[in-house]
Amino acid sequence: GNSVTQMEGPVTLSEEAFLTINCTYTATGYPSLFWYVQYPGEGLQLLLKATKADDKGSNKGFEATYRKETTSFHLEKGSVQVSDSAVYFCALSPYNFNKFYFGSGTKLNVKP
Amino acid sequence: DTGVSQDPRHKITKRGQNVTFRCDPISEHNRLYWYRQTLGQGPEFLTYFQNEAQLEKSRLLSDRFSAERPKGSFSTLEIQRTEQGDSAMYLCASSLARSASGKGGGLSYEQYFGPGTRLTVT
Repeated sequence: GNSVTQMEGPVTLSEEAFLTINCTYTATGYPSLFWYVQYPGEGLQLLLKATKADDKGSNKGFEATYRKETTSFHLEKGSVQVSDSAVYFCALSPYNFNKFYFGSGTKLNVKP
Repeated sequence: DTGVSQDPRHKITKRGQNVTFRCDPISEHNRLYWYRQTLGQGPEFLTYFQNEAQLEKSRLLSDRFSAERPKGSFSTLEIQRTEQGDSAMYLCASSLARSASGKGGGLSYEQYFGPGTRLTVT
């Protein structure tokens, strides 16, 4: 079956710290992988994606690499800002994109 | 592009009442999805449409739930005889089915989410 497991939060960091949020997945076939972000009071927004093994998705200083051998898609950012405080969701979509499977979300708090 | 919109944003209802939510997708998008999100959890898939055809329904979607997309544009999600366990955020998303450009081929369907309708059943 298909599923996504994320590290539990909340994660609390100081501004300019390095961020890693772990995500591993189980999938049949060759899924695409996504990170979505949900800011307080707002809807889910696509942050980045990778559609095949070894692809690196990047956006707004965030990066994640699709690792087929470790079934992982960890989210990283070199220097977080207070404005990055949000809930981050890892997701996968099977090859035919009929649905997304989401992790439970990781809340990030960045302190000034 | 005005994004995905949902109406209402909040709904409080008494147990046993029926409720209906509306979703307006991005205008050129041919796929529309409904998800449910409870506190502290990620969204869970409920159902999806390609144009007006409902192609898949989750087992989460009991017979009290029905969704329609009559003209392949907006969609409605109705919950009959609401129960307290139905309290959740109901999310709508849309996407455009297209082929990815460039080498590697494959399909690329980014889903764009609306702000959600928060349902509270008392």
